[in-house]
Amino acid sequence: ETAVFQTPNYHVTQVGNEVSFNCKQTLGHDTMYWYKQDSKKLLKIMFSYNNKQLIVNETVPRRFSPQSSDKAHLNLRIKSVEPEDSAVYLCASSPRTGGPQDTQYFGPGTRLLVL
Amino acid sequence: EQQVQQSPASLVLQEAENAELQCSFSIFTNQVQWFYQRPGGRLVSLLYNPSGTKQSGRLTSTTVIKERRSSLHISSSQITDSGTYLCAMERSNYGSSGNKLIFGIGTLLSVKP
Repeated sequence: ETAVFQTPNYHVTQVGNEVSFNCKQTLGHDTMYWYKQDSKKLLKIMFSYNNKQLIVNETVPRRFSPQSSDKAHLNLRIKSVEPEDSAVYLCASSPRTGGPQDTQYFGPGTRLLVL
Repeated sequence: EQQVQQSPASLVLQEAENAELQCSFSIFTNQVQWFYQRPGGRLVSLLYNPSGTKQSGRLTSTTVIKERRSSLHISSSQITDSGTYLCAMERSNYGSSGNKLIFGIGTLLSVKP
């Protein structure tokens, strides 16, 4: 099956802990993205990678760090989580570098709850 | 500042009615996409429409780039059309080869039998 896969589906943790989310795409795409969807359902881009290289890095707290071992994987680590980090984190991929007609394919999301 | 505005915020229809969803942008873009998200489901791309009119099945999108707006028309709505419809524009990441999608907050559509 070719798609975007994310683990875990759901994670509950306490303030100050470290969490790591995994994303894998089997679509053969070159570019991968992490988005955050907050409680108001607003979706905002956090990072994007093209062939393991960071190409977009929005203003996110430094406790967030993306990690890419190859172009099919883009993980997200959060050191010392805060309550405002509670959200759904969506991973996506696209064939090229985000140029015209470059549809993004999304994973099912990882819901994080910080107590 | 919300760069992508969508209206209405929510919409309730009877089955078979038509829906018209609106999207406007505060800055210039030349790439517009419409997405759909069922509650608890994946975000799925519906239409890519940088300008003019594009159709896919019962969906028709019209984008007028000069006026910074796009619309999505759903004809003969079905119960399974219920969910959130998101509009997104692509904004070039100046100085690099990457672009990024900026999303609106969506229109929540509910189709009743």
